[in-house]
Amino acid sequence: NAGVMQNPRHLVRRRGQEARLRCSPMKGHSHVYWYRQLPEEGLKFMVYLQKENIIDESGMPKERFSAEFPKEGPSILRIQQVVRGDSAAYFCASSQGQGEETQYFGPGTRLLVL
Amino acid sequence: ILNVEQSPQSLHVQEGDSTNFTCSFPSSNFYALHWYRWETAKSPEALFVMTLNGDEKKKGRISATLNTKEGYSYLYIKGSQPEDSATYLCAFSRSNTGKLIFGQGTTLQVKP
Repeated sequence: NAGVMQNPRHLVRRRGQEARLRCSPMKGHSHVYWYRQLPEEGLKFMVYLQKENIIDESGMPKERFSAEFPKEGPSILRIQQVVRGDSAAYFCASSQGQGEETQYFGPGTRLLVL
Repeated sequence: ILNVEQSPQSLHVQEGDSTNFTCSFPSSNFYALHWYRWETAKSPEALFVMTLNGDEKKKGRISATLNTKEGYSYLYIKGSQPEDSATYLCAFSRSNTGKLIFGQGTTLQVKP
């Protein structure tokens, strides 16, 4: 059973460009979470999605960031008009259920904004 | 503001030593406490999920306890090995939505 897959692993963007980060959950998992690790900081929750639904987006910046988890295909975290402060490691996790279910993490996407 | 505090921030021990570290979290509206092991350049690896006051979990030489009334969890490593060197993260959730609030981690270095 493949683990959580994220791509790309590294992404370089210039200021003003768009960044698209993809996450394929573990097989059989329908719950996806995105976390961000800014330089010198810990993991911070961004958003929790189930298929076709955003359940909790309390950690998402109000502007330029969006997330989706379509019926088919991976979950996408989209950052429009990136700025240098968006440079971070973005981690995706998936779980079979919610609540006390274990969240399994992917390897992360390291975004660098020049 | 919900804060999860881990101590110590870093720890250096000799191979064979036993060690433990602490995770403190708000005790009100507790739902679950997670422990992860995170090696550099790898994904955080799930160790334990605990929900009940007094829970104790064990995985090989690593074990954890939970006190939800006073808001802390301990992680113990018995007979540390160099391969135990990693950052150990705890994360707390207040509801069943799965939103995890992470501590800053304890970085363990085990010297051979």
